[in-house]
Amino acid sequence: SYVLTQAPSVSVAPGRTASITCGGDKIGSKSVHWYQQKPGQAPVKVIYHDSDRPSGIPERFSGSNSGDTATLTISGVEAGDEADYYCQVRDSNGDHWVFGGGTKLTVL
Amino acid sequence: EVQLVESGGGLVQPGGSLRLSCAASGFTFSSSWMHWVRQTPGKGLVWVSRITADGSGTIYADSVKGRFTISRDNAKNTVFLQMNRLRAEDTAVYFCVRGESLDYWGQGSLVTVSS
Repeated sequence: SYVLTQAPSVSVAPGRTASITCGGDKIGSKSVHWYQQKPGQAPVKVIYHDSDRPSGIPERFSGSNSGDTATLTISGVEAGDEADYYCQVRDSNGDHWVFGGGTKLTVL
Repeated sequence: EVQLVESGGGLVQPGGSLRLSCAASGFTFSSSWMHWVRQTPGKGLVWVSRITADGSGTIYADSVKGRFTISRDNAKNTVFLQMNRLRAEDTAVYFCVRGESLDYWGQGSLVTVSS
């Protein structure tokens, strides 16, 4: 089965840029989606199809995907961005949905 | 406004059964694939199952195949997850999720499997 690897935690100072990575074999050939989950809440999609933003998601959130790594970038990080972030793809057969283990973003 | 409201969670003994429901509103339910995704307390998200819009196609994660059954009633805008032969490791919050691209999530229903 397809495996997505995320670092457990990332820390960043307010106003700086956070990069959260998601590793997978030839992930650049897949469509990657990113979700933000705050404590006690359901996940919210922040990036779809590698780099598109749903309506209502600030421009500070962006995504890229190439080779074996997809990246979620948050510019000008704010305290309210503190959350768990998950990447997600469909496996090679397209019939299973796969999540990364999640990265906890801490705003210092 | 899209709304997904799960119900039916609770405490069940190992080997027991439970049926989750998810009531949908605010979109054309009969045109949407639906999923169940679970999250063990303090852990990550795990995809469980998917059903196609007309209910003819279902698929499951290996960890629940043969024990869980996803179904839907398009007349009542509701999707179900029948969970049998429950194990301690099935303890989780179960989310109902809309669409092929998992674009809207319910708030989740907690299932606790314990004696």
